[in-house]
Amino acid sequence: KNQVEQSPQSLIILEGKNCTLQCNYTVSPFSNLRWYKQDTGRGPVSLTIMTFSENTKSNGRYTATLDADTKQSSLHITASQLSDSASYICVSSGAGKSTFGDGTTLTVKP
Amino acid sequence: DVKVTQSSRYLVKRTGEKVFLECVQDMDHENMFWYRQDPGLGLRLIYFSYDVKMKEKGDIPEGYSVSREKKERFSLILESASTNQTSMYLCASGKTVAATEAFFGQGTRLTVV
Repeated sequence: KNQVEQSPQSLIILEGKNCTLQCNYTVSPFSNLRWYKQDTGRGPVSLTIMTFSENTKSNGRYTATLDADTKQSSLHITASQLSDSASYICVSSGAGKSTFGDGTTLTVKP
Repeated sequence: DVKVTQSSRYLVKRTGEKVFLECVQDMDHENMFWYRQDPGLGLRLIYFSYDVKMKEKGDIPEGYSVSREKKERFSLILESASTNQTSMYLCASGKTVAATEAFFGQGTRLTVV
């Protein structure tokens, strides 16, 4: 069964600090991996998308990495801001299907 | 700005009512999707549509039906709402059936009492 597991489940950091969120997937065959940001009460918004041939992609202060051999991805947030408080969802796709992780809830405190 | 618009942000319905959730996209995407999102369960696909009048069951279609009469509009129908259908419902549209680079609506928080 295809699975996407994210860790930690929740994280609290101080404004200005960096953090890294993890995603492990077992989706096979693998096509691409995406990270979404979901603000409370809103729909997810795409941050990055990577295919198996890409191992890093940045979007402003967000940098995603992908290791297709170990089936792991991470999302690194640099110089966090209060507006980064949200749920971050990892999604892996392959064979015409997408599998969503449960998300990591990030809280950035002043 | 691309948009996926869901007709309601919040809905409260009674058990047994027929409920319609509407979604409209302005990106001319072939594929549209309905998900529900529950704590600890992530997003789960209910139904998707890859063309007008075409639909496919997702992972949890029981208790739901869908309608796609026009390319830009995809409706989710709860034939007889039950309390276990209380959830956040998310509509999305995208270029592929795998929802790659999907754009999501703002979500509808449905409470069935």
